[in-house]
Amino acid sequence: AQSVTQLGSHVSVSEGALVLLRCNYSSSVPPYLFWYVQYPNQGLQLLLKYTSAATLVKGINGFEAEFKKSETSFHLTKPSAHMSDAAEYFCAALTGTASKLTFGTGTRLQVTL
Amino acid sequence: NAGVTQTPKFQVLKTGQSMTLQCAQDMNHNSMYWYRQDPGMGLRLIYYSASEGTTDKGEVPNGYNVSRLNKREFSLRLESAAPSQTSVYFCASSEAGRTGRTEAFFGQGTRLTVV
Repeated sequence: AQSVTQLGSHVSVSEGALVLLRCNYSSSVPPYLFWYVQYPNQGLQLLLKYTSAATLVKGINGFEAEFKKSETSFHLTKPSAHMSDAAEYFCAALTGTASKLTFGTGTRLQVTL
Repeated sequence: NAGVTQTPKFQVLKTGQSMTLQCAQDMNHNSMYWYRQDPGMGLRLIYYSASEGTTDKGEVPNGYNVSRLNKREFSLRLESAAPSQTSVYFCASSEAGRTGRTEAFFGQGTRLTVV
């Protein structure tokens, strides 16, 4: 069975500091992996996706994530946080054959001055 | 560009009432999903449909039924609503199973309150 674990339900960083949001997956077959962002009272928006073409994936708004098979991880980073990055971030995994898209429990990012 | 459209956006039900949440996508996607979102629990998969004519249970299917009416539409029904079903419900669709465009697109959500 496939599952997604996000460590840290809340992360707080200062504006300009590095953002690191952690995601680990458990699957016998490396799945497709995604990061989504959700702003208050809105739906989910895709930040980036990993589909085996490249292990370092760049997304929108300066975010990127690195797929590490040996660590079963897909952590999200941004070199310099901006106030507008404050939102909830979700990691998700899809096993292509099953078409089952599973989400982690989310990490709320707070950015302070 | 409508994408994924959910109706209604808000709903208040009394315990025991029934209702159907509607979802339609115009992207010709094969796969569709229903999730519920509760504080601290992320998005939990209720049901999904990998293709027209098929549906499968997700993590929390109890108390719900679904219908994949055609390729565009995937409805979620609460037969006898309970307060525990108070949540925000999201519908999504994707080209899951094909290479390349695997990301899911989400509707704006339905905020359901059961009193």
